Amino acid sequence: EAQVTQNPRYLITVTGKKLTVTCSQNMNHEYMSWYRQDPGLGLRQIYYSMNVEVTDKGDVPEGYKVSRKEKRNFPLILESPSPNQTSLYFCASRPTGLYGYTFGSGTRLTVV
Amino acid sequence: EDQVTQSPEALRLQEGESSSLNCSYTVSGLRGLFWYRQDPGKGPEFLFTLYSAGEEKEKERLKATLTKKESFLHITAPKPEDSATYLCAVRSNFGNEKLTFGTGTRLTIIP
Repeated sequence: EAQVTQNPRYLITVTGKKLTVTCSQNMNHEYMSWYRQDPGLGLRQIYYSMNVEVTDKGDVPEGYKVSRKEKRNFPLILESPSPNQTSLYFCASRPTGLYGYTFGSGTRLTVV
Repeated sequence: EDQVTQSPEALRLQEGESSSLNCSYTVSGLRGLFWYRQDPGKGPEFLFTLYSAGEEKEKERLKATLTKKESFLHITAPKPEDSATYLCAVRSNFGNEKLTFGTGTRLTIIP
């Protein structure tokens, strides 16, 4: 089944403890993105990648890092999480061309 | 800066009662406008891409249309399973992979 897989689905952590949210797609898509979704603010793009080793900032990149060493994987790293990073996170991928994204099921992160 | 405004925020319809959702946008050269459906606790599901004014796309009870300033998602004779939040997003010609989303319209269809 073609899909974007994120792990974990739920995560509670403490301020300052480094964490990684994994994202993997099995559709050989070139483009991948990370979004966060907050009530009243909608989906906001954190980082995106246009291919292996090519990444760029979205609208809200502060406090996040990404890497794209393999085409299928696009992990999101929070080096020192803070409570304002409590949110619902989505990873998404799409092929080249004017296609919509396929989204993962989301990761609900709580930083206390 | 690209902007997307969706209205209404929430809409309740009786089953079979047709209506339209609005997406107004401001973008520096539209590369594409996208509609998604999002069910509670799930990731958005892609519905349509529209590229140029006058274009229309259809899928079952949904039809999306596009003008130079806004897009409409028309829902004909909706069923309870059409209940969801509908999201609109735009990509400009100058923003690389940047995709700007609206905050969505929460649609509830009452049996």
